[in-house]
Amino acid sequence: DSGVTQTPKHLITATGQRVTLRCSPRSGDLSVYWYQQSLDQGLQFLIQYYNGEERAKGNILERFSAQQFPDLHSELNLSSLELGDSALYFCASSVEDSPSGTGELFFGEGSRLTVL
Amino acid sequence: SQELEQSPQSLIVQEGKNLTINCTSSKTLYGLYWYKQKYGEGLIFLMMLQKGGEEKSHEKITAKLDEKKQQSSLHITASQPSHAGIYLCGADPGANNLFFGTGTRLTVIP
Repeated sequence: DSGVTQTPKHLITATGQRVTLRCSPRSGDLSVYWYQQSLDQGLQFLIQYYNGEERAKGNILERFSAQQFPDLHSELNLSSLELGDSALYFCASSVEDSPSGTGELFFGEGSRLTVL
Repeated sequence: SQELEQSPQSLIVQEGKNLTINCTSSKTLYGLYWYKQKYGEGLIFLMMLQKGGEEKSHEKITAKLDEKKQQSSLHITASQPSHAGIYLCGADPGANNLFFGTGTRLTVIP
């Protein structure tokens, strides 16, 4: 158990809909990272927050947005969903604002999104 | 932008055999990370390499970063079914994120 909690574990929805994925980081961790894993794209970095502030942005679509709340949990909002958004979405956390310290990110078990 | 290519893409070995997975970067690596993912689960950190020529071991898994810091290899000795999963190398491009290679899917046949 990594200590990172993601909900829901599974989600099935229709095209055009909007969903919210939630992540609770490990106790004491200030950084939250979001990743998308699909068969054709592999594991893609989406966005990172540190102590409530956005720190880095990757290949995140404009239809997607995220935020980190004062209690440090984070939410990833996906809107106007398309079939291609079906993927496993991972949240990871770390103490520092950069992985270059220890390199260790603690990953949740992911939220599997299926768009029909 | 920096890219990480892993080889092979998939590997099937008999239990007890040794194996090697490679990770090649398009640019100099300032930190190379190895993670393991069990099918459908989150990633688990294995080890981090920073210095050229550095070698680290964790149980029966050994990883090395070459002197030029553009390639890393991960070696598993006497593989076991518990080693099965997807191995991913990652790098930090200094942009506050960790991006990953294409992954190597390992199957160990008992």
